Amino acid sequence: GAGVSQSPRYKVAKRGQDVALRCDPISGHVSLFWYQQALGQGPEFLTYFQNEAQLDKSGLPSDRFFAERPEGSVSTLKIQRTQQEDSAVYLCASSLRGIDRVSDTQYFGPGTRLTVL
Amino acid sequence: ILNVEQSPQSLHVQEGDSTNFTCSFPSSNFYALHWYRWETAKSPEALFVMTLNGDEKKKGRISATLNTKEGYSYLYIKGSQPEDSATYLCAPTDSWGKFQFGAGTQVVVTP
Repeated sequence: GAGVSQSPRYKVAKRGQDVALRCDPISGHVSLFWYQQALGQGPEFLTYFQNEAQLDKSGLPSDRFFAERPEGSVSTLKIQRTQQEDSAVYLCASSLRGIDRVSDTQYFGPGTRLTVL
Repeated sequence: ILNVEQSPQSLHVQEGDSTNFTCSFPSSNFYALHWYRWETAKSPEALFVMTLNGDEKKKGRISATLNTKEGYSYLYIKGSQPEDSATYLCAPTDSWGKFQFGAGTQVVVTP
């Protein structure tokens, strides 16, 4: 079956531009996560959706970052007025059940590499 | 936020040699630990989920052990092959279920 897909795979933006990153999770998965991976670091949690509800957005670095999952499937991470420090790989993951199922595997997409010039 | 450390940061292994590396995490309030393998330009791939002290998991030539009392997990690669070259990430979960990734161990296997 299809895994998690993300688009675009690579994005170059000029500082100040808005960008939108898309995630298509595995069909039927309840949970969807966004992570940010800066160079030399592990992925860091950004936000979590259970179906269409955004239950945790504690990792979003600033109010320039916004995520949505309006119909409980596809999700979009939007970054407004991009800054150089936003350059990173953005990973999306989905899992079958809710986040409280701590042993459930998260299935990752290949990521979007964002470079802000 | 959990303090997760992986060591070494990177290692080079000759093809055919075995190797191992460590994931350290706070031993209090342990819930679960996930291991992933991330090859360049691909999606992170789930290897193991470990929940019980003393857990041992195996997948082909890769195995992992877990010690929740002292707060560490080892991942072993037996008879390394070039296709084992990847970054290996560990992620214990917090009480909410959020993954807290370490920075990873980058493994390079040379023929």
